[in-house]
Amino acid sequence: AQKVTQAQTEISVVEKEDVTLDCVYETRDTTYYLFWYKQPPSGELVFLIRRNSFDEQNEISGRYSWNFQKSTSSFNFTITASQVVDSAVYFCALCSLQGAQKLVFGQGTRLTINP
Amino acid sequence: NAGVTQTPKFRVLKTGQSMTLLCAQDMNHEYMYWYRQDPGMGLRLIHYSVGEGTTAKGEVPDGYNVSRLKKQNFLLGLESAAPSQTSVYFCASASQGFSYEQYFGPGTRLTVT
Repeated sequence: AQKVTQAQTEISVVEKEDVTLDCVYETRDTTYYLFWYKQPPSGELVFLIRRNSFDEQNEISGRYSWNFQKSTSSFNFTITASQVVDSAVYFCALCSLQGAQKLVFGQGTRLTINP
Repeated sequence: NAGVTQTPKFRVLKTGQSMTLLCAQDMNHEYMYWYRQDPGMGLRLIHYSVGEGTTAKGEVPDGYNVSRLKKQNFLLGLESAAPSQTSVYFCASASQGFSYEQYFGPGTRLTVT
């Protein structure tokens, strides 16, 4: 069975601090996708990144960066110089390429950036 | 393009009442999904569909039924609502074998009293 674990339920930091959100997954598939979604207080789900299991290169997008390590089954997300607008719930998710491309979500991490 | 839309946005039901949530997508996606989101539990898959006329159970299907009579619409029904079904419901759609990204609707907040 597939499983995604986000052990950090809530994180609170002061603005401009760097913060890392952890994501650990379990799957028997050799090919899969990993995702991060952001859910701001307004409630919608915002797509942040998709990573193929064959591509272990880290990715940086502005203040956001992602570290994918297949050896430890982790896909961590770092926000550099955090801002109040980064306050949200962040979800990590795993997609099997077989069947109906179903997503398995982690429990989510509520990130609060204090001014 | 509207993307994925959900109707209604909010609803309050009494225990035992029934209702239908409508999801519509205009991206010609083959796959559609219904999730529920509860505090501390992330999103959990209720039912999904891989094409018009087909549906399948997800992780938490009990108490819900679905139908996909048209490719662009995916309906979620509650025949006899229970307080345990108080949740935020998200619909999503995806293109088969393309980017594997699911596109989400804005959500429906349902309260059962």
